[in-house]
Amino acid sequence: DAMVIQNPRYQVTQFGKPVTLSCSQTLNHNVMYWYQQKSSQAPKLLFHYYDKDFNNEADTPDNFQSRRPNTSFCFLDIRSPGLGDAAMYLCATSRLGLAEAFFGQGTRLTVV
Amino acid sequence: GESVGLHLPTLSVQEGDNSIINCAYSNSASDYFIWYKQESGKGPQFIIDIRSNMDKRQGQRVTVLLNKTVKHLSLQIAATQPGDSAVYFCAVSNSGNTPLVFGKGTRLSVIA
Repeated sequence: DAMVIQNPRYQVTQFGKPVTLSCSQTLNHNVMYWYQQKSSQAPKLLFHYYDKDFNNEADTPDNFQSRRPNTSFCFLDIRSPGLGDAAMYLCATSRLGLAEAFFGQGTRLTVV
Repeated sequence: GESVGLHLPTLSVQEGDNSIINCAYSNSASDYFIWYKQESGKGPQFIIDIRSNMDKRQGQRVTVLLNKTVKHLSLQIAATQPGDSAVYFCAVSNSGNTPLVFGKGTRLSVIA
């Protein structure tokens, strides 16, 4: 089945230690998104790609970076995780011009 | 910009009753609306969508109503089942060309 896959499902990292979350998709969608979702809150967009065109939300901290080496893969890099970065990170994809987003199962990040 | 709100953070219903979840949005240019269901520890799952040229759309046991005059949409779930217990988010976009903005979410609890 075509889908959005996030790895790992659970990630524990140390305060200040760089961490990378990964996302892959078999839907061949042009657009990929990273959302951050804290407990009992709505998903909040961090950034998105239209193909290789990167779009950063104005309030996304510089601590968060992303890479999209090809259509299928997208990475979220957190350079120096703080306790406030503990959250569920959701990757999603969509076709260009269609807002319906297909979500992965998320990676729950714990910072210790 | 867009802000999306929900009228109630929690909703409890008896199994077999109908559920109604509401959502308000602020940007009159928003023209695409989606309801997502998110179960604990999982990514949001598409339920139903509606475009601004419609005021009602029905799916299997679900109906979405859109009132553009007051910028309000609702999700109705018929004969609510225990498996419907989840957090429900509305999300809006402008012409499908902007990423989805999510509302705060309503937690639906079904009482058996």
